[in-house]
Amino acid sequence: GESVGLHLPTLSVQEGDNSIINCAYSNSASDYFIWYKQESGKGPQFIIDIRSNMDKRQGQRVTVLLNKTVKHLSLQIAATQPGDSAVYFCAERRSNYKLTFGKGTLLTVNP
Amino acid sequence: DSGVTQTPKHLITATGQRVTLRCSPRSGDLSVYWYQQSLDQGLQFLIQYYNGEERAKGNILERFSAQQFPDLHSELNLSSLELGDSALYFCASSVGVGEEQYFGPGTRLTVT
Repeated sequence: GESVGLHLPTLSVQEGDNSIINCAYSNSASDYFIWYKQESGKGPQFIIDIRSNMDKRQGQRVTVLLNKTVKHLSLQIAATQPGDSAVYFCAERRSNYKLTFGKGTLLTVNP
Repeated sequence: DSGVTQTPKHLITATGQRVTLRCSPRSGDLSVYWYQQSLDQGLQFLIQYYNGEERAKGNILERFSAQQFPDLHSELNLSSLELGDSALYFCASSVGVGEEQYFGPGTRLTVT
């Protein structure tokens, strides 16, 4: 079964608020994690990644936090915009380099 | 635009038929990955090729096969199609093995 799962299947926020999307993983051997964004009718788009030897990584308006103790990954989006509305997937990479994706969280940004 | 191209964009076919989906990776990428995305199963890894060789296999049915050609483009062949094979099929590419993957726009397959 899936070892990567999402706590919340849907998230609705107001424009300008910060969004936090969570993800749990169960394989402690996973060494690399990625967040993808998928807009309707498009393929997943890489947002940000983090290696297991880090606990935080920042990009443009996005931050990924990794808590290996509780096997938890989160994606924070600052000042959420309508264009951020999409499904967000976390993915983990195991030693065989295969990516395993979570089910996804639908983020809706209300104007 | 990720630089990964897939054709066709849409495909409608009947049960029992065979189809071929095509993917061209980003320039310089040696790895190609195939994924199936359906509403009930999410994004499922099917198979990976690196520089023409099969590298990793996921939940790929025996009715499905793939290959990567010398020019690095890849094809996914789906045969004896069933209604349950209706899904979005994505191709992704990366420079090597294990780096971030760039996804194509997908092929929507409908089996009637």
